[in-house]
Amino acid sequence: KNEVEQSPQNLTAQEGEFITINCSYSVGISALHWLQQHPGGGIVSLFMLSSGKKKHGRLIATINIQEKHSSLHITASHPRDSAVYICAVNPVLGGGADGLTFGKGTHLIIQP
Amino acid sequence: DTAVSQTPKYLVTQMGNDKSIKCEQNLGHDTMYWYKQDSKKFLKIMFSYNNKELIINETVPNRFSPKSPDKAHLNLHINSLELGDSAVYFCASSRSGGYGYTFGSGTRLTVV
Repeated sequence: KNEVEQSPQNLTAQEGEFITINCSYSVGISALHWLQQHPGGGIVSLFMLSSGKKKHGRLIATINIQEKHSSLHITASHPRDSAVYICAVNPVLGGGADGLTFGKGTHLIIQP
Repeated sequence: DTAVSQTPKYLVTQMGNDKSIKCEQNLGHDTMYWYKQDSKKFLKIMFSYNNKELIINETVPNRFSPKSPDKAHLNLHINSLELGDSAVYFCASSRSGGYGYTFGSGTRLTVV
């Protein structure tokens, strides 16, 4: 079992829908990251969270440290949001220098 | 200006060869990383390095070696390339604690 589990693995939705991607982790962490990867493209960091909630444009990320769970929400989804969304954690013992541990990603397709 | 740049973007080489991938960051970050993304798009840490410490993922074969001439560069050298080394390799950097995570655009290595 992977230390970071994401759901769903694949998600297809219509433009304008509210999207939720979930991430659960089984290790102690100092922070959790949400990343975006477009097909054939590089990886972009969307959020880094250690508690609470963050918002950037149409994207919202939340984390519940006690439940070891995070969600990424996309409001008013658009075809350009189509990408793979990856949850990743900084294991607490690593102090950030051991690198990230990743989930397997959620492949999101937004249809016009 | 590209924040984390890696070269080359594509690398096709024969089994048994030795190759290097270069990575440079101009963000003033103190920690750099190499990640491997396999054919199923799963990312895994290979190395993390700051100017004090190299941390190696124990699953990485010793044919892989990071070389850091200075704080802004972390190159990846691979000896005796094997078919299974074919993957996309991402360089990344961050500040202490994993803040400001920034990825390079990736190097697609194909071993034939």
